[in-house]
Amino acid sequence: EVQLVESGGGLVRPGGSLRLSCSASGFTFSSYGMHWVRQAPGKGLRYVSAISSNGGSTNYADSVKGRFTISRDNSKNTLFLQLSSLKVEDTAVYYCVKASSSGWYTPLDYWGQGTLVTVSS
Amino acid sequence: EIVLTQSPGTLSLSPGERATLSCRASQSVTNYLAWYQQKPGQAPRLLIYGASSRATGIPDRFSGSGSGTDFTLTISRLEPEDFAVYYCHQYGSSFGGGTKVEIK
Repeated sequence: EVQLVESGGGLVRPGGSLRLSCSASGFTFSSYGMHWVRQAPGKGLRYVSAISSNGGSTNYADSVKGRFTISRDNSKNTLFLQLSSLKVEDTAVYYCVKASSSGWYTPLDYWGQGTLVTVSS
Repeated sequence: EIVLTQSPGTLSLSPGERATLSCRASQSVTNYLAWYQQKPGQAPRLLIYGASSRATGIPDRFSGSGSGTDFTLTISRLEPEDFAVYYCHQYGSSFGGGTKVEIK
């Protein structure tokens, strides 16, 4: 059974930083692209970032480019998202999502339950 | 960036009725489009990929169609568990704003 468990969310001040982690199990992590998707309270889904299976290719939404960094450790089956220069509008539940193939330009077939990031003074 | 526009914003229907949801892209995405279902308090679930292929375990009352810029998700006969929010998504990029299917 595919499992994706996010951690690292919490309350942070504007301008602060946070590192999200996603522990993956139930599939060969190193063979699949991975994504982060976020959802502000009561709002729709917003694409954040993606990384290919070997980490060699990444992609970011314009709204987070230069502030967020996606990475992965295939030896530990873990996906990361480093959030920096945080803004109030970054407040959201952040979902770790598995791609259906090795690239990131694919459908998203399994989702974690999400971790809440709150940016507030 | 390609913008996906979903309509209507809310669809009020009764169980057993047919639901037709629309997703329009600001430029062609060929067939690189997926549909997801999200229920309150839950993570989204993949329903349709490649514009028209059902994901594993998805009932055949769900169907997708379209290519290029215009796409449709159809639920042939609504079951009580189908009342939820539906999102279209261009692979590796933007999501539509969602359509809420609510009980009339």
